[in-house]
Amino acid sequence: GAVVSQHPSRVICKSGTSVKIECRSLDFQATTMFWYRQFPKQSLMLMATSNEGSKATYEQGVEKDKFLINHASLTLSTLTVTSAHPEDSSFYICSARHGRASTDTQYFGPGTRLTVL
Amino acid sequence: GDSVTQMEGPVTLSEEAFLTINCTYTATGYPSLFWYVQYPGEGLQLLLKATKADDKGSNKGFEATYRKETTSFHLEKGSVQVSDSAVYFCAGGGGNKLTFGTGTQLKVEL
Repeated sequence: GAVVSQHPSRVICKSGTSVKIECRSLDFQATTMFWYRQFPKQSLMLMATSNEGSKATYEQGVEKDKFLINHASLTLSTLTVTSAHPEDSSFYICSARHGRASTDTQYFGPGTRLTVL
Repeated sequence: GDSVTQMEGPVTLSEEAFLTINCTYTATGYPSLFWYVQYPGEGLQLLLKATKADDKGSNKGFEATYRKETTSFHLEKGSVQVSDSAVYFCAGGGGNKLTFGTGTQLKVEL
């Protein structure tokens, strides 16, 4: 149980275009979903936290107008990278949590490799 | 703010060797502590967790004990296998988010 999927697994796009990444919890309802960014050989950096039906909370330094997050249902959250540039190339990972308590386990998706040319 | 410090890698071991990856944390209060494993090209998988002091998390031969007195959550395995080669992340949960360490790459050779 507790499976989280992401789609696509890899995407290559041209500079200036927008890319949407989906994160789905397949066998549980995710009250809260998180989006992380991982640079090569580095740890995960939290970008934003989204609760179903409400606006996402962005971490300091993350542009909310560039990284649009929509958590429309208890099983789906999307991250849209708008007007992508080469510096946005990275590994994006989502996670989902059953409840709102910090002690609840986060289950991670397999990640999406974004390459902006 | 919260922080998690784990030993730098890479760590290279022979199969059946004993593994220890150190992790210490600083946080307000007592967060839940986690170890995640990431295989090449994949996302993170929860390996084990502990939610309070003196709890021991264990899974697949790995274990870690939440030590409040030393603020540590060291990962151990008595006999590693080649299939354990991966990057291991220690993380602490406080408030509404997880704080991750920088990851430790483990390579196990025959």
